[in-house]
Amino acid sequence: QLQESGPGLVTPSETLSLTCTVSGVSISDDSSYWAWIRQPPGKGLEWIGLSLNSGSTDYNSSLKSRVTISVNTSKNHFSLRLSSVTAADTAVYYCARMKHGVLILLGSRFDIWGQGIQVTVSS
Amino acid sequence: DIQMTQSPSSLSASIGDKVTISCRASQSISTYLNWYQQRPGEAPKLLIYSASNLQSGVPSRFGGSGSGTDFTLTISNLQPEDFASYSCQQSFNPPWTFGQGTKLEIK
Repeated sequence: QLQESGPGLVTPSETLSLTCTVSGVSISDDSSYWAWIRQPPGKGLEWIGLSLNSGSTDYNSSLKSRVTISVNTSKNHFSLRLSSVTAADTAVYYCARMKHGVLILLGSRFDIWGQGIQVTVSS
Repeated sequence: DIQMTQSPSSLSASIGDKVTISCRASQSISTYLNWYQQRPGEAPKLLIYSASNLQSGVPSRFGGSGSGTDFTLTISNLQPEDFASYSCQQSFNPPWTFGQGTKLEIK
């Protein structure tokens, strides 16, 4: 399954760093991509970005300038870095597996999720 | 970006009732629509994918329908564990966007 880890409190203007440890499935699985999704308090879910195969990534344009997602296949985990955080980045952060759809991304779904980790941005 | 709008934002129902939750996309997304359940403190759970396909292990009292821009999640014979929040998500075009959620409360 998936388990997020990292600091629960981040100082404004600093970088948020989280890791998602994957167990029970290989992070190199050809039918899967790996995602970060967040949910600010009282709001809906927001997709942050994806790690695709061969080291490529895809990010939400609203966060693209601040986001980096990377994969460590030897440790079977993937990571999120979000720079220059503000209070607006306070949220529960989830990692999830994106299972391929009929045309890989088209028809895909987030079928396995981590429990989520609360991250608060505050001084 | 494709905007997803759910209605209602909350509803109350009783054990054994049947409820429907609606989700509307800002443009046609064919049948590329997923539904998730969220219980407080738990990981979101995939219920329905591609509008009407039941995810493995999900009880058959959950059903999905729709195509184009209008979709429905139906829950029959409500059970205590069904009182949770439900979100739709389009898988037609990135960025992958979600509805704002519908909270189902016990009456």
